[in-house]
Amino acid sequence: DAGITQSPRYKITETGRQVTLMCHQTWSHSYMFWYRQDLGHGLRLIYYSAAADITDKGEVPDGYVVSRSKTENFPLTLESATRSQTSVYFCASSLAGQGRGEKLFFGSGTQLSVL
Amino acid sequence: SQQGEEDPQALSIQEGENATMNCSYKTSINNLQWYRQNSGRGLVHLILIRSNEREKHSGRLRVTLDTSKKSSSLLITASRAADTASYFCATDADSSYKLIFGSGTRLLVRP
Repeated sequence: DAGITQSPRYKITETGRQVTLMCHQTWSHSYMFWYRQDLGHGLRLIYYSAAADITDKGEVPDGYVVSRSKTENFPLTLESATRSQTSVYFCASSLAGQGRGEKLFFGSGTQLSVL
Repeated sequence: SQQGEEDPQALSIQEGENATMNCSYKTSINNLQWYRQNSGRGLVHLILIRSNEREKHSGRLRVTLDTSKKSSSLLITASRAADTASYFCATDADSSYKLIFGSGTRLLVRP
């Protein structure tokens, strides 16, 4: 099943460039999330969205921008990429907020390298 | 800051053996979840245990929760090579909307 898809799978960019990572889910889940995964840090929450046009910051939002004009899409934009943003990015969705014991469904990730 | 910390960081066992991973956390929680991540893939939810539960089973998985010690353990019985993956605990703190992940345990099951 399609579920939640991320694109691109791999991306190489240069410092200072703008990059947008795409996330699309087919379940009509209310909540969507962006995490980054780095060695030694586990997963850290960047931004989340409770519904269309409602977004909020997570643990590490600096340097990132999100939007959610449609329930099924939640793109993540790096406005001016830096080397410290080299990471694996995961999009996830859930029926309700995380604090209500809902499990997350993850995409396969985008591996981003900033040179 | 991480809420959950897994122990050990890496574990190597023989197929058929049991694997035990531990998770410690810092603040009161509503729920604790365990996820598996195969190499190069996203995380997959395994099991959720609520703060008022002490033990939960799902197939070959057994999760325990000790809120007095702020710790949880995941036991995989009769392990298989296909269980090779990283395992993460995640907690939603009592007063927070966020699901905080630990840094994970890398499990290698040797055939």
